[in-house]
Amino acid sequence: AQSVAQPEDQVNVAEGNPLTVKCTYSVSGNPYLFWYVQYPNRGLQFLLKYITGDNLVKGSYGFEAEFNKSQTSFHLKKPSALVSDSALYFCAVRGLSDYKLSFGAGTTVTVRA
Amino acid sequence: GAGVSQSPSNKVTEKGKDVELRCDPISGHTALYWYRQSLGQGLEFLIYFQGNSAPDKSGLPSDRFSAERTGGSVSTLTIQRTQQEDSAVYLCASSTPGTGPGDTIYFGEGSWLTVV
Repeated sequence: AQSVAQPEDQVNVAEGNPLTVKCTYSVSGNPYLFWYVQYPNRGLQFLLKYITGDNLVKGSYGFEAEFNKSQTSFHLKKPSALVSDSALYFCAVRGLSDYKLSFGAGTTVTVRA
Repeated sequence: GAGVSQSPSNKVTEKGKDVELRCDPISGHTALYWYRQSLGQGLEFLIYFQGNSAPDKSGLPSDRFSAERTGGSVSTLTIQRTQQEDSAVYLCASSTPGTGPGDTIYFGEGSWLTVV
């Protein structure tokens, strides 16, 4: 069975500082990894994904994520956070033969001005 | 429209009533998913449709829940005899199979259901 862990319920950073949201996964075979963001009272919005190739994946709104196979991690990063990045972030994984996404519990990011 | 469309966006219903939630996937997307998001439960998979194949209903929490997809496009999630624990956001998503597990799944804005 596949699973995702987001060890931090909340992350608080000051505007302009780097932002990191942690994610570790468990899956049989090669992982297919995704990050989504949910703004208040909205649906999930796709940010980026890792399929294969370069371990550093760049996505929307200046976000990037680094795939680390040995640590089974896929942390989301942004070099300089904005107040508008305050939202709920979900990491998700699929295995090779899966069509369902398995989600982590989510991490609430608050960026203070 | 350009994205996944869901209706109603908000629904308040009395306990014991039936509700129907509708999803219109992105045009051309053959795969359709329903997920539920509730406090303390995170995002739960409910059901998956792919083309004309039999749906994967393994995530439906009880026989009060059912879903259908007509003509390979619009889907309806029906909850019969609603209970307060059914209060949640019901998210529909779609994707177009191409690269396999790397396909991106796109979500709608959700239907916010409150059972009183």
